[in-house]
Amino acid sequence: NAGVTQTPKFQVLKTGQSMTLQCAQDMNHEYMSWYRQDPGMGLRLIHYSVGAGITDQGEVPNGYNVSRSTTEDFPLRLLSAAPSQTSVYFCASSYSGDRGPANEKLFFGSGTQLSVL
Amino acid sequence: KQEVTQIPAALSVPEGENLVLNCSFTDSAIYNLQWFRQDPGKGLTSLLLIQSSQREQTSGRLNASLDKSSGRSTLYIAASQPGDSATYLCAVGQGGSEKLVFGKGMKLTVNP
Repeated sequence: NAGVTQTPKFQVLKTGQSMTLQCAQDMNHEYMSWYRQDPGMGLRLIHYSVGAGITDQGEVPNGYNVSRSTTEDFPLRLLSAAPSQTSVYFCASSYSGDRGPANEKLFFGSGTQLSVL
Repeated sequence: KQEVTQIPAALSVPEGENLVLNCSFTDSAIYNLQWFRQDPGKGLTSLLLIQSSQREQTSGRLNASLDKSSGRSTLYIAASQPGDSATYLCAVGQGGSEKLVFGKGMKLTVNP
């Protein structure tokens, strides 16, 4: 069982370039989310989705786009990379449950380390 | 706004000690609290999830307790081992929300 799979594991971009971070899960989870992790800042929510066709903003959404066309996939797009987006990015998923996905066990991918020069 | 704090930020102990990791939160209106483990270069792994109606959860050598009224949770690790070395994070989930609020984590080193 693969769980949550993120690609690529490492990426270096130049300022202004665009790219897509891929995330796929095989657990039929309704809820998927993207976090960034920075030293001293902890984990911050970028965008999330409670099902196919539904997305919403988290704490730090600027400069990122998402879409959810299938239950399995939740790609994160950087529109015009900036050095401030240098970070480790994590995708996570869970069931939505009766009381909402924040009340369910959260499964994380292994992360993408992104550097923007 | 909910804030989650973990103090200290790092802890180094000899093997075999029983450990208590602390997590505090400012808004007691939570539905659950999760403890995660993160190994270097890896994602987070959920260790224990305590619902607000529960006082504690146990898994092997790990025991997590929750005191909503005081805004505190503790993760107890019995007979620590070098393999327990990792960063431990707590996160709270709030009703009606799709978002977890994370603490910044505590880096644990267990020395042989």
